[in-house]
Amino acid sequence: GAGVSQSPSNKVTEKGKDVELRCDPISGHTALYWYRQSLGQGLEFLIYFQGNSAPDKSGLPSDRFSAERTGGSVSTLTIQRTQQEDSAVYLCASSLLSAGASTDTQYFGPGTRLTVL
Amino acid sequence: RKEVEQDPGPFNVPEGATVAFNCTYSNSASQSFFWYRQDCRKEPKLLMSVYSSGNEDGRFTAQLNRASQYISLLIRDSKLSDSATYLCVVNTGRRALTFGSGTRLQVQP
Repeated sequence: GAGVSQSPSNKVTEKGKDVELRCDPISGHTALYWYRQSLGQGLEFLIYFQGNSAPDKSGLPSDRFSAERTGGSVSTLTIQRTQQEDSAVYLCASSLLSAGASTDTQYFGPGTRLTVL
Repeated sequence: RKEVEQDPGPFNVPEGATVAFNCTYSNSASQSFFWYRQDCRKEPKLLMSVYSSGNEDGRFTAQLNRASQYISLLIRDSKLSDSATYLCVVNTGRRALTFGSGTRLQVQP
């Protein structure tokens, strides 16, 4: 079946511009996560959506970052007034999160490689 | 101190060798543990979950030591295709996972 998809695969932007990154989770997955990975680094948690609950935004690095998830499916991560330190690969993951489970296997999309010049 | 720590490597081993990676975690309340594999410029993919009793999947064996707060991954009979970065992953009670920075493995012919 279809996995997690992300678009665009690559994005080059100028410092100060806004960017939007899109994630299509696996159909039926109730949980959606955004992470970012800087070159040679581990994954850094950004934000988590679960069903209709309020998102866990505890990982967002600044108020320039925001995300929404429409209709419990597609999610958009927006970065306003991009800075060079925002350059990274932005990864989206989804999981089924079955009832009673503290966590489920997360399936990752291929990521969006963001370069801020 | 990082929540999840790994030796970044690289571990350079010949084909057929056995190699082991360790990972330590700081939060004693951590509940779930995983090893993910990440190929160069690709997304992470689940390799295996780590259970308290230890578990094996083919050439791969994962173990958890809660008392010492470390997780290990053993790869036997290394293949060239095992070359990748291995990410130690811990669930600390939040829904999202906490990832180590990864250990790079290079299997050489």
